[in-house]
Amino acid sequence: EEQLVESGGGLVQPGGSLRLSCAASGFTFSSYGMSWVRQAPGKGLEWVSTISEGAGNTYYAGSVQGRFAISRDDSKSTLYLQMNSLRAEDTAVYYCARRGYFDLWGRGTLVTVSS
Amino acid sequence: DIVMTQSPDSLAVSLGERATINCKSSQSVLYTSNSKNYLAWFQQKPGQPPKLLISWASTRESGVPDRFSGSGSGTDFTLTINSLQAEDVAVYYCQQFYSTHFTFGPGTTVDLK
Repeated sequence: EEQLVESGGGLVQPGGSLRLSCAASGFTFSSYGMSWVRQAPGKGLEWVSTISEGAGNTYYAGSVQGRFAISRDDSKSTLYLQMNSLRAEDTAVYYCARRGYFDLWGRGTLVTVSS
Repeated sequence: DIVMTQSPDSLAVSLGERATINCKSSQSVLYTSNSKNYLAWFQQKPGQPPKLLISWASTRESGVPDRFSGSGSGTDFTLTINSLQAEDVAVYYCQQFYSTHFTFGPGTTVDLK
């Protein structure tokens, strides 16, 4: 069964850092571009970042550019999101998703930025 | 970035009736070299991650009931739910994957009348 499982969320103070992980199984992880998408409480979906297969290209939403870094370890079938200089407005459920049209999603991990 | 808009914001439909959701992009998401529209539709129920219903504007995902259909091209798209069922109550989002900065529409809530 194809599956994505996020982890690493939690409560962090403004200005702090957090690293999210997304473990993939059931498919050839290295063959796919992967993304992070977030959803603030009660709000819509917001694309955050994408990394191409082979990690040759990375893309970021303007709201996180310069603060977040996406990476992948194909040997571990794992996607990462390093989040620095966190702000209250980064509070959201963070999902990892496969491909440009997000055909596979994890269940998400909640990040809360609050003092 | 490509801006996606949806209408209506919400709609209430009786069981067995049709629901129609519109999505518009600020620029064309039709890639002329392959004649494909880089547009997807998702369904999200409370407490669940989104679920891909339709990709390439009109290609239904495996396992998605055939009462769901997508249409449109260029900048204007429609998701139609024929014969609405109780389990179709959800928020529906369109998304473009034409540019490297993906964007979603704000969502349309479908409820039962």
